[in-house]
Amino acid sequence: DAKTTQPPSMDCAEGRAANLPCNHSTISGNEYVYWYRQIHSQGPQYIIHGLKNNETNEMASLIITEDRKSSTLILPHATLRDTAVYYCIVRPSRGSNYKLTFGKGTLLTVNP
Amino acid sequence: DGGITQSPKYLFRKEGQNVTLSCEQNLNHDAMYWYRQDPGQGLRLIYYSQIVNDFQKGDIAEGYSVSREKKESFPLTVTSAQKNPTAFYLCASSPWTEGYYGYTFGSGTRLTVV
Repeated sequence: DAKTTQPPSMDCAEGRAANLPCNHSTISGNEYVYWYRQIHSQGPQYIIHGLKNNETNEMASLIITEDRKSSTLILPHATLRDTAVYYCIVRPSRGSNYKLTFGKGTLLTVNP
Repeated sequence: DGGITQSPKYLFRKEGQNVTLSCEQNLNHDAMYWYRQDPGQGLRLIYYSQIVNDFQKGDIAEGYSVSREKKESFPLTVTSAQKNPTAFYLCASSPWTEGYYGYTFGSGTRLTVV
């Protein structure tokens, strides 16, 4: 699976947009970008995933660059409850490899 | 509601003892996984299972064992051979649906060796 690079930590003011970057320069054509988050002492929670088009759901938006070498997760109006570690993961959509590999992610702290 | 149940939430074990962590899901997912998380670290895969009666080692399987006798259940045994068992253990499941591998995680079991 392609490797990802994320900043170890970020801060955001409550009510503002949080933009979390992820670099995945070695991503291949059949690999999706997934985002999960983990609130302290809980299991990770799926947020969103995409292949090459931008995606939006009730939680967040995912912007993938045209060359697919990087992406940004956007939380449009961050709240204190969005404070968590955010993981960016890339992996193929097909094949027998079920595994998701979680790095250290980005600790997002939303401040009042 | 469908989901994954891990029990117990907290577990204390004496050195040299085996202990089994429970993981049950009612999501009808085919695949199940066990991860270990140490403080300030990401998740590391211990074992995973794609179908009943079949499982594969992950990245850190030494000192652990699993079974998958039922689709709903994937218990993890931490044996006395595991040198540093104190950690947060997470179980997850996913459907086998091409193009989407979203995982659903349990709330975790925090194991402490005393």
